[in-house]
Amino acid sequence: GENVEQHPSTLSVQEGDSAVIKCTYSDSASNYFPWYKQELGKRPQLIIDIRSNVGEKKDQRIAVTLNKTAKHFSLHITETQPEDSAVYFCGQGTNYQLIWGAGTKLIIKP
Amino acid sequence: KAGVTQTPRYLIKTRGQQVTLSCSPISGHRSVSWYQQTPGQGLQFLFEYFSETQRNKGNFPGRFSGRQFSNSRSEMNVSTLELGDSALYLCASSQISGGSYGYTFGSGTRLTVV
Repeated sequence: GENVEQHPSTLSVQEGDSAVIKCTYSDSASNYFPWYKQELGKRPQLIIDIRSNVGEKKDQRIAVTLNKTAKHFSLHITETQPEDSAVYFCGQGTNYQLIWGAGTKLIIKP
Repeated sequence: KAGVTQTPRYLIKTRGQQVTLSCSPISGHRSVSWYQQTPGQGLQFLFEYFSETQRNKGNFPGRFSGRQFSNSRSEMNVSTLELGDSALYLCASSQISGGSYGYTFGSGTRLTVV
């Protein structure tokens, strides 16, 4: 069945460094790939998304890249700050459903 | 524009009881999805409702059920509560059914079963 694998499960980076989280999917019908950030005790919030007809999208310090051939997409956060500490979830969407990755806990070390 | 509203925010129930959670989506959103989230776990999909019809269902026992009303508000019911049902229950609304558009999550209902 369809699934999406997200790696790593935990990522610890020095403040100011970059962080990269990768998701691999199996359903070639996937056309929508969102990333959500969930801070401790809060709701997941959409931070960036990309559609299958686009290879890269940027929004200030965050970017998402999509490789349809290899069926993977990645979240890139540059110049990490303490407020980037959270759990990040990737999603793989089709017209039928949205499948979620297991989440990555991002820790920003001061 | 008001966000997704979930009530109640916190709930304590006894094992064996039943519980009903409510979710009011963003105005104009007709899809409501429900998720269970336990500590350290991801988003476990329960079901999705669109235009009062269940469109999709996750791998949860029949004790978990839901419904959607004509105004798109949705309720989730859990019968015969078990200790393992203690979790944060999130609902998310979207303009259309399926997974081709972003979801907006509510703040969740934290259910504790004792």
